[in-house]
Amino acid sequence: ETGVTQTPRHLVMGMTNKKSLKCEQHLGHNAMYWYKQSAKKPLELMFVYNFKEQTENNSVPSRFSPECPNSSHLFLHLHTLQPEDSALYLCASSQDRLVGANTGELFFGEGSRLTVL
Amino acid sequence: KQEVTQIPAALSVPEGENLVLNCSFTDSAIYNLQWFRQDPGKGLTSLLLIQSSQREQTSGRLNASLDKSSGRSTLYIAASQPGDSATYLCAVRPTTDSWGKLQFGAGTQVVVTP
Repeated sequence: ETGVTQTPRHLVMGMTNKKSLKCEQHLGHNAMYWYKQSAKKPLELMFVYNFKEQTENNSVPSRFSPECPNSSHLFLHLHTLQPEDSALYLCASSQDRLVGANTGELFFGEGSRLTVL
Repeated sequence: KQEVTQIPAALSVPEGENLVLNCSFTDSAIYNLQWFRQDPGKGLTSLLLIQSSQREQTSGRLNASLDKSSGRSTLYIAASQPGDSATYLCAVRPTTDSWGKLQFGAGTQVVVTP
């Protein structure tokens, strides 16, 4: 496996369910991100982890809970979501020590399409 | 606050025509700018990344230019093909410490007709 992989690709859940999205990167990067893409809106950054430490929580509601057990894996735990949370959730990674020739280029997974009923 | 705008929102061209996609940003203090392609229901594929010290980057039929002082970048796709149909997004990285906090435009949806 190469690149950034996300599972599941599609998820339908009720408002009382608990589910998790998983992301794994095989690029040796030190930073991972969750982005949300809603219809007709630009991508929104949700969470940033570098070296497994959360460095950014972009005012995301507590019904979204990230977990980063190591630098290769990132989870997004979901509970008591609302229909307006239906969106494409994208995971990304980068090598984010911006020194030398490193550009911090972002690489994305295929996304998890979430529908909340 | 940095704002990124992509105009037009949608574009349709016949096969073989050159594509010109525009991206503008309000704060010229950027570290780099990245162009992505997104197919329907899929993730983003990185196309080109231009550092703030560069004027352009090329990859095959793709050429991206950057004019930081005027807050503009342009993506050129030569001799377009139906397979180029997708949404193209640009994103700017504001500072060296912005840990992937890219600011995205809303994208330009491109249709190339055979």
